[in-house]
Amino acid sequence: RKEVEQDPGPFNVPEGATVAFNCTYSNSASQSFFWYRQDCRKEPKLLMSVYSSGNEDGRFTAQLNRASQYISLLIRDSKLSDSATYLCVVNEVGANDYKLSFGAGTTVTVRA
Amino acid sequence: DAGVTQSPTHLIKTRGQHVTLRCSPISGHKSVSWYQQVLGQGPQFIFQYYEKEERGRGNFPDRFSARQFPNYSSELNVNALLLGDSALYLCASSLGTSGYNEQFFGPGTRLTVL
Repeated sequence: RKEVEQDPGPFNVPEGATVAFNCTYSNSASQSFFWYRQDCRKEPKLLMSVYSSGNEDGRFTAQLNRASQYISLLIRDSKLSDSATYLCVVNEVGANDYKLSFGAGTTVTVRA
Repeated sequence: DAGVTQSPTHLIKTRGQHVTLRCSPISGHKSVSWYQQVLGQGPQFIFQYYEKEERGRGNFPDRFSARQFPNYSSELNVNALLLGDSALYLCASSLGTSGYNEQFFGPGTRLTVL
């Protein structure tokens, strides 16, 4: 079983639409959670950290459900520039150390 | 400020050869991690180094080794290359060892093994 699993998509949505997708993780002791964005043939870049209470950054909202061990990302009012692969990342060690596990990514394509 | 830099950007090797990849972290960052990303997959953790000591190792064979230098730059070495080692190798730096720190990735080295 993979440590982090994501729906690979692709999610093909029109501009202005809302798109949401989840990721699940297997290690219940995981401590910190992130969404990274990766453009084609580029390096991953941090989109947002995910906090227990859920957090919002502009058009992006992340939620964490520890009981069910899943993380979600919602993108409102999609822009063409949101087209990318979104990587779910879970830190499986403690708060003072890390072993990051990445999902395979969810591909989002926003069309005009 | 300069971001994480990696060299070379591309590399072609044949099976059985050895390769050394290099990474320079962001100034002030003491932690460097290495990841392997195969096409269509997310990055897989290989090593983490902090203050020149290995702090974590992923599920990779002993053909993979790394080290960190006093200036916090790092090298990843892979011996006896296999076709399956063809991948994008990413280096990431962060301030410390906290799992809450943002990882800043370099552009990667794309390795092709023929």
